[in-house]
Amino acid sequence: TVMTQSPDTLSVSPGGRATLSCRASQTVYRNLAWYQQKPGQAPRLLIYDVSTRATGVPARFSGSGSGTEFTLTITSLQSEDFAVYYCQQYQSWTFGQGTKVEIK
Amino acid sequence: QITLKESGPTLVKPTQTLTLTCSVSGFSLTTSGVGVGWLRQPPGKAPEWLALIFWDDDKRYSPSFKNRVTITKDTSKNQVILTMTNMHPMDTGTYYCANRIPRGVFSDWGQGTQVIVSS
Repeated sequence: TVMTQSPDTLSVSPGGRATLSCRASQTVYRNLAWYQQKPGQAPRLLIYDVSTRATGVPARFSGSGSGTEFTLTITSLQSEDFAVYYCQQYQSWTFGQGTKVEIK
Repeated sequence: QITLKESGPTLVKPTQTLTLTCSVSGFSLTTSGVGVGWLRQPPGKAPEWLALIFWDDDKRYSPSFKNRVTITKDTSKNQVILTMTNMHPMDTGTYYCANRIPRGVFSDWGQGTQVIVSS
């Protein structure tokens, strides 16, 4: 299953809202996760089962979607949220190419 | 607290075999539903899944790597081992191990270990 994210880069002002998209080449049902990665660090699990936040993840992160179309929304962007975000389906564990959220 | 830590050589030569060890703590490799996977990330690119081993010793391999990788575990040492044969410069990157929770997702990741393939 090929995962395609858009856009590749998203410029957002601090305090703003970011909407990231992820499309699967075939249905992944609800087996969809989002990870955040900062330079020099391992990916960090944010969301699994489309919309369930992992332990310790702030409520400003939310996930939605079903089947083949999914969205990660980050509201009130904080300085620590500027990073690369990957979606991943965990039926066969493939990742999207990533979306970089940068400061506008 | 769950922790995973990767170890192995930083530099390997082309055609050599790479062996990496993942040492885990905070959970048991024999608990029903538990799995540990290996993933890698080439510089500037997305992560790629390589292999996964379950609590009952069942194994899964990425179709892209199934002819080159082997995953095993040593429950007495709380370790999961990955071997990858015929290393190539394009195999350069950071290699991670991560625990797979029963729901299926990789929840906790190690810090990663850098592998450079060069003569």
